[in-house]
Amino acid sequence: NAGVTQTPKFQVLKTGQSMTLQCAQDMNHNSMYWYRQDPGMGLRLIYYSASEGTTDKGEVPNGYNVSRLNKREFSLRLESAAPSQTSVYFCASSGKDRTDSNQPQHFGDGTRLSIL
Amino acid sequence: GQQVMQIPQYQHVQEGEDFTTYCNSSTTLSNIQWYKQRPGGHPVFLIQLVKSGEVKKQKRLTFQFGEAKKNSSLHITATQTTDVGTYFCAGRRTGFQKLVFGTGTRLLVSP
Repeated sequence: NAGVTQTPKFQVLKTGQSMTLQCAQDMNHNSMYWYRQDPGMGLRLIYYSASEGTTDKGEVPNGYNVSRLNKREFSLRLESAAPSQTSVYFCASSGKDRTDSNQPQHFGDGTRLSIL
Repeated sequence: GQQVMQIPQYQHVQEGEDFTTYCNSSTTLSNIQWYKQRPGGHPVFLIQLVKSGEVKKQKRLTFQFGEAKKNSSLHITATQTTDVGTYFCAGRRTGFQKLVFGTGTRLLVSP
């Protein structure tokens, strides 16, 4: 039982390059989330998907796009990477039941992204 | 927007000492969750509190939800080196899907 799987684990990009972070969960969860974690800032929500076919902006969506490809997969794309996007990115999922709002979130191991 | 602050940002204790982290929200919460993140790891869910004034215990950890549902605390009795990590609270406003994470308290325990 893998839970939430993120790829890649590490990545170094040059300013202006694009890339997609992949996330997949095998827990049949309805909701999926992308967070970034910076020192002293906690976890900040970038985008989330309450259910298959829907996506919504979080606190810090600028510079990112997402795709909820199917129930299992939720990808995060950086179209033109900037040094300010250097961070650790976590994907999470929650909610087997229809009422997802009180379900705990399960996190992947994270992607450590550096942009030079 | 909703803000969730935690204090202290960092605490260094000797093994066996107690530890408390406090979580304060600018808005009333429908529930609050606590997570622990070990160094280099990912956040792991610990517990959820829903009711006003609720207190829950997990071995040496005691979690409280304030009467006004705007604050919460996590108390660890007799810390151990395995308690090292960053503790996050995360609150959800009534009617909102999103969790807002606190800034976290990093705990270091010396043997």
